Amino acid sequence: QKEVEQNSGPLSVPEGAIASLNCTYSDRVSQSFFWYRQYSGKSPELIMSIYSNGDKEDGRFTAQLNKASQYVSLLIRDSQPSDSATYLCAVRYGGTSYGKLTFGQGTILTVHP
Amino acid sequence: GAVVSQHPSWVICKSGTSVKIECRSLDFQATTMFWYRQFPKQSLMLMATSNEGSKATYEQGVEKDKFLINHASLTLSTLTVTSAHPEDSSFYICSARDSRSDNYGYTFGSGTRLTVV
Repeated sequence: QKEVEQNSGPLSVPEGAIASLNCTYSDRVSQSFFWYRQYSGKSPELIMSIYSNGDKEDGRFTAQLNKASQYVSLLIRDSQPSDSATYLCAVRYGGTSYGKLTFGQGTILTVHP
Repeated sequence: GAVVSQHPSWVICKSGTSVKIECRSLDFQATTMFWYRQFPKQSLMLMATSNEGSKATYEQGVEKDKFLINHASLTLSTLTVTSAHPEDSSFYICSARDSRSDNYGYTFGSGTRLTVV
């Protein structure tokens, strides 16, 4: 059983719309949650980190965490074609040796003009 | 923010040879670094956790004698793919966490695309 689940997509939204990306995780002691963006052929880059229940906003990005329901989401407002990429959800579980991350399989987002 | 430098960015080697990949934390000390492998259209798979001054911790199914990891200093970890074969061709990425701030998260190197011919 996978520990971090994402809808692989592809998710297609028009330019200017809100893109909503979701991630669920297994019932373990969870600690930290991260969203990464990965362009084709490149390494992941950190978009947001979130540790507490609720919303965290940074520019056009909002991360939402609900530990009771075991999901974390990422909203991208005013989506741009340059946002087209694979979005990876990552979870750092409490008690994990050396703080390693577990990644979901990623959601492919396409923003069309 | 934290910066992780990884070299080389790409390498082509002959089957049976060894390849070394370097990962450096440029502006912070990383007692722990992580090595991932990513095949096309797949997510990142953790290979091993590299610990400064001690042996690396390998994930299940990863051959420690084939993927040698050395973390001799607080800013440098190396991954050596020994006796490489075509099936080892992949995108290898290192990562480190800047413990100075949780906001930095885990920073990734730029990755190394290995092609074994």
